[in-house]
Amino acid sequence: AQSVTQPDIHITVSEGASLELRCNYSYGATPYLFWYVQSPGQGLQLLLKYFSGDTLVQGIKGFEAEFKRSQSSFNLRKPSVHWSDAAEYFCAVAPYNNNDMRFGAGTRLTVKP
Amino acid sequence: DTGVSQNPRHKITKRGQNVTFRCDPISEHNRLYWYRQTLGQGPEFLTYFQNEAQLEKSRLLSDRFSAERPKGSFSTLEIQRTEQGDSAMYLCASSRQGVTGELFFGEGSRLTVL
Repeated sequence: AQSVTQPDIHITVSEGASLELRCNYSYGATPYLFWYVQSPGQGLQLLLKYFSGDTLVQGIKGFEAEFKRSQSSFNLRKPSVHWSDAAEYFCAVAPYNNNDMRFGAGTRLTVKP
Repeated sequence: DTGVSQNPRHKITKRGQNVTFRCDPISEHNRLYWYRQTLGQGPEFLTYFQNEAQLEKSRLLSDRFSAERPKGSFSTLEIQRTEQGDSAMYLCASSRQGVTGELFFGEGSRLTVL
């Protein structure tokens, strides 16, 4: 069965510092992989997605993620974090027809001034 | 594009009562999904519709949960005989068929069962 693990429940970084949020997945084939962000009082928003091809994908708000098949990972990165990036981040995996998207438990990001 | 709208945003009810949540998807989206999110967890898939057809409902949590999308537009999620364990955020999302993974989520309806 497909599953997603986000090992870090909570991460704190200083504004301007780099960020990496970890995501590991379990799936029988190469899945479709996603990162969503949930800000307080707002719905989840898609940051980026990977289906195939180039393993480094660019997303909105300056985020990128790298798919590593050998490590079953899809880590999210940002070179310089802004205070407005404070939110909950969810990694997700889905089969082709996306009717059963599985989310990780999320990583809460706090940004220090 | 007015986004996905969910109502009510917060519902407080007593154990044993029935509750219904409504979701209005983005107008041109033919797929609609319901998820449940509990504290400290990611969204958990419940069911989804393509137009008015409910294509997956085996993941609904119990027979007390049901969902409809009668005209392929808005959808309702009903929970009968609520229990305290039903307290959660219920999320609705919509998407275009064929656009895998790009779900547009509403802000959710929070249910508190006393």
